[in-house]
Amino acid sequence: RKEVEQDPGPFNVPEGATVAFNCTYSNSASQSFFWYRQDCRKEPKLLMSVYSSGNEDGRFTAQLNRASQYISLLIRDSKLSDSATYLCVVGLYSTLTFGKGTMLLVSP
Amino acid sequence: GAVVSQHPSWVICKSGTSVKIECRSLDFQATTMFWYRQFPKQSLMLMATSNEGSKATYEQGVEKDKFLINHASLTLSTLTVTSAHPEDSSFYICSAPTPRLAGQEQFFGPGTRLTVL
Repeated sequence: RKEVEQDPGPFNVPEGATVAFNCTYSNSASQSFFWYRQDCRKEPKLLMSVYSSGNEDGRFTAQLNRASQYISLLIRDSKLSDSATYLCVVGLYSTLTFGKGTMLLVSP
Repeated sequence: GAVVSQHPSWVICKSGTSVKIECRSLDFQATTMFWYRQFPKQSLMLMATSNEGSKATYEQGVEKDKFLINHASLTLSTLTVTSAHPEDSSFYICSAPTPRLAGQEQFFGPGTRLTVL
């Protein structure tokens, strides 16, 4: 079983749509959880950290369920500029493990 | 936020040559830096952890004699790909942990795209 698994992509959605990404992780000892965004041929950039209480940043909402070892990211009112690959990342101490990423393509 | 730079941003070399990639933390000190490799349509894979003043820690399957890491100062880590071959062609990215005490975010360099002919 892969350490961090994400939905296979790509997701093709029209502008304004709501899109949800799912992620599961295998190591129950994992301590920190993130969503990163990676544009084509660029480095990953932190989108948001994920907490058990859930957190929201504008159009983006992240949820963590430790019991199910499940992480989600919801993007509302998607924009063309949201097109990118979204990486689910799980941390243990200072080591990060990356999911393969799910590509999002937002079209006009 | 903290900034990490990498140099060069891309390099093309002949098979058998060695390539050095530099990773610098620009406005903070990093006693630890991480080196990742990403093949097309694959996830980032941690290669090694670079520790200032001591030996790097390599992940399983990564040859330490092929991927030489030096972390000589608190702001610079280098990765040297020795005797590069076409299968070493990849996107190499370094990162450094956030200098803040809370959180475990890492700041990534812009990456180095290596193409070995």
